[in-house]
Amino acid sequence: GAGVSQTPSNKVTEKGKYVELRCDPISGHTALYWYRQSLGQGPEFLIYFQGTGAADDSGLPNDRFFAVRPEGSVSTLKIQRTERGDSAVYLCASSLGGAGGYYEQYFGPGTRLTVT
Amino acid sequence: AQKVTQAQTEISVVEKEDVTLDCVYETRDTTYYLFWYKQPPSGELVFLIRRNSFDEQNEISGRYSWNFQKSTSSFNFTITASQVVDSAVYFCALSEGRAGNQFYFGTGTSLTVIP
Repeated sequence: GAGVSQTPSNKVTEKGKYVELRCDPISGHTALYWYRQSLGQGPEFLIYFQGTGAADDSGLPNDRFFAVRPEGSVSTLKIQRTERGDSAVYLCASSLGGAGGYYEQYFGPGTRLTVT
Repeated sequence: AQKVTQAQTEISVVEKEDVTLDCVYETRDTTYYLFWYKQPPSGELVFLIRRNSFDEQNEISGRYSWNFQKSTSSFNFTITASQVVDSAVYFCALSEGRAGNQFYFGTGTSLTVIP
């Protein structure tokens, strides 16, 4: 079946601009996660959705970052007033449920964001 | 404090050699889950294995094997008879059953298998 998809695959934007990154999870997966991966590092947790609600947004670095999942499927990560330090690969993952890690997470190919 | 430590940043082996990737974790939870993921040059993380904290049995899947030892808080990954296709960055991750669902990833080990 189809895996997690993310669009765009690459995004170049100017400092100060607004960007939206989209994630389409595996069908039937109720849990959705956003991570950020900088060069040479492991993925860093940003936010977790169970259904439509953000169950844990403790990883969002500041209030310029926001994410939604209005219908419990597709999610959008929104970054306002982008800064050069936001440049990274943004990964989306989904799993069958949230249950404290009982289910493995399946990752999308990521969106490489470059802020110039 | 880093919850998952992968001390080996880069490893190079010659094809057909065995290689072990180390992972040390830290948690106060009694229920937790450990994972290994592979990230090939294409970039997409691929799930390899999940272990829960109550199951210390070692696991073998083809050329891959995993050694989980709670006494040393380690979850090491061994590739037997390595192949060029094994070249990738490998990440170990921890999820704590009590605290929610985020995965804590290590910094990864970049494995290069030389033909």
